[in-house]
Amino acid sequence: NAGVTQTPKFQVLKTGQSMTLQCAQDMNHEYMSWYRQDPGMGLRLIHYSVGAGITDQGEVPNGYNVSRSTTEDFPLRLLSAAPSQTSVYFCASSYPGNTEAFFGQGTRLTVV
Amino acid sequence: GENVEQHPSTLSVQEGDSAVIKCTYSDSASNYFPWYKQELGKRPQLIIDIRSNVGEKKDQRIAVTLNKTAKHFSLHITETQPEDSAVYFCAAKGGAGSYQLTFGKGTKLSVIP
Repeated sequence: NAGVTQTPKFQVLKTGQSMTLQCAQDMNHEYMSWYRQDPGMGLRLIHYSVGAGITDQGEVPNGYNVSRSTTEDFPLRLLSAAPSQTSVYFCASSYPGNTEAFFGQGTRLTVV
Repeated sequence: GENVEQHPSTLSVQEGDSAVIKCTYSDSASNYFPWYKQELGKRPQLIIDIRSNVGEKKDQRIAVTLNKTAKHFSLHITETQPEDSAVYFCAAKGGAGSYQLTFGKGTKLSVIP
């Protein structure tokens, strides 16, 4: 089992560029989510999905899009990168209910 | 929505001493409270969790307590070791139908040998 796999691990973007952060899980988890982690701010929810075809906004959704066409994949799109989006991004997945969330290894994104 | 406050933001203890991290939450419907440990440059990993029908849970040197009336929960680490040094996050998940985990801002624990 690979668990939750994120790519890339590191990325540098110029302001205004777009890109997609990839997230895949092989545990057949229904629930997937994206967080960003900034110093002193903890983990803040960007978007989440409760199943294929269903997505919703979290606490900090502006500037990001998501889609969920399969159970396994949940990509995060930055439409027009801004320096404020410099952060570490984590994807997570879990079964419904009160169960453990498994995190990917993270993507460190720098926008210059 | 849910709001989780975590204290302290940093904590230094001598090896062998105990460490306590406290969190409060705002949504009385929240019913699941996990704790995650994140080592430097690594992903967060679950170390212990507690559900709202339980007041305390232990796993070797770590324990979590929950006070639903006061809406706070705490992580206790006894006999701390240098490998316990990390950032610890508490989180809360809302009631039935809620999927979202809301995290505290984290506590950086340093265990001094």
